[in-house]
Amino acid sequence: GQQLNQSPQSMFIQEGEDVSMNCTSSSIFNTWLWYKQDPGEGPVLLIALYKAGELTSNGRLTAQFGITRKDSFLNISASIPSDVGIYFCAGQPSSSGSARQLTFGSGTQLTVLP
Amino acid sequence: DTGVSQDPRHKITKRGQNVTFRCDPISEHNRLYWYRQTLGQGPEFLTYFQNEAQLEKSRLLSDRFSAERPKGSFSTLEIQRTEQGDSAMYLCASSPMVLYEQYFGPGTRLTVT
Repeated sequence: GQQLNQSPQSMFIQEGEDVSMNCTSSSIFNTWLWYKQDPGEGPVLLIALYKAGELTSNGRLTAQFGITRKDSFLNISASIPSDVGIYFCAGQPSSSGSARQLTFGSGTQLTVLP
Repeated sequence: DTGVSQDPRHKITKRGQNVTFRCDPISEHNRLYWYRQTLGQGPEFLTYFQNEAQLEKSRLLSDRFSAERPKGSFSTLEIQRTEQGDSAMYLCASSPMVLYEQYFGPGTRLTVT
């Protein structure tokens, strides 16, 4: 099946620092989504991307849909303690046709140190 | 704000028992999805409904798993003869017809002892 390689697996940063994480695949994706998940809860949608090259912001978060359609990245600026959590990329592969299921990366665990 | 809701939030059962989970999607969403998530991994797709029709099923969905969405509203996921390997978080998501954005519920944590 489709696989998404998400990196890094974990990050420890100081409060106020910027963060960058990315997701790559050997396959082309039509849609990229970024989610944040807190322990014991479901993923919360942060940003959705639909076009190659698209750059979208949501507050301190910015995500881009790679031009090759095989990658995406998420930036968080000026991190704060509540940014702690697991960030997942997810995509809808172009090879799946009208199928609607998302393929998820394995997540980036973010820890923000005071 | 009526997001996706799931019930129960936690379920502990003995191996061999049957369990049923319920999902209530966002009311105007006609697409509904079930995913399974194990520790340290991203969610994995199980099955998908458009209105009351079950359109896709993953190979992960063995014969012991069945999902329904009567009348195209809430959905249930039943696992028969549970096994320890079924222990996981079961997530439900819904989306509107024209977008790929999926909104998740809080999940049901299943522990099979």
